[in-house]
Amino acid sequence: EDQVTQSPEALRLQEGESSSLNCSYTVSGLRGLFWYRQDPGKGPEFLFTLYSAGEEKEKERLKATLTKKESFLHITAPKPEDSATYLCAVPPYNTDKLIFGTGTRLQVFP
Amino acid sequence: DAGITQSPRHKVTETGTPVTLRCHQTENHRYMYWYRQDPGHGLRLIHYSYGVKDTDKGEVSDGYSVSRSKTEDFLLTLESATSSQTSVYFCAISGHGQGDYGYTFGSGTRLTVV
Repeated sequence: EDQVTQSPEALRLQEGESSSLNCSYTVSGLRGLFWYRQDPGKGPEFLFTLYSAGEEKEKERLKATLTKKESFLHITAPKPEDSATYLCAVPPYNTDKLIFGTGTRLQVFP
Repeated sequence: DAGITQSPRHKVTETGTPVTLRCHQTENHRYMYWYRQDPGHGLRLIHYSYGVKDTDKGEVSDGYSVSRSKTEDFLLTLESATSSQTSVYFCAISGHGQGDYGYTFGSGTRLTVV
């Protein structure tokens, strides 16, 4: 069964304290892994797409990496404005849809 | 969000009444999706559309129906609302079904069934 699992469920960091979020997946024939950011009361906002093992993408303090089994979202020197829920998603084989993990709720304190 | 609008933003309804949520896009995207988001379950796909009058079920479609008579509008109907359908509903659009360029989500509709 296609599945996406994210860990930890919640993460509290001090401003400047770097860390990583994990997204593990089981899907036949990976055609991409997607990261989204969701702020309270809003819809998810697209961040990155990764297509193959070894690929990396960066945006400001965020860097996403991909292996054959999982993806990491590394947050370097986070700021309070990075506080949000981070979601990852994959498309099951031969479908036009995405399945999402339950997300990691990140809180960054000054 | 620019290009996609959900209405209403909030709704309270009684058990057993029909409810219709609307998603409107101005991007002329082919694919439209309805998800619900609940604590502990994340985003779950209800129904999606890959063109006018072309729709398919997602993983939690029981109790829901959809219609798409125009490219820009995708309607989600709860025929007889139940308390288990209390949730936040998100519409998403994509120009490419595999989501290669990411989905654009609406701001959501918070539905409470009492």
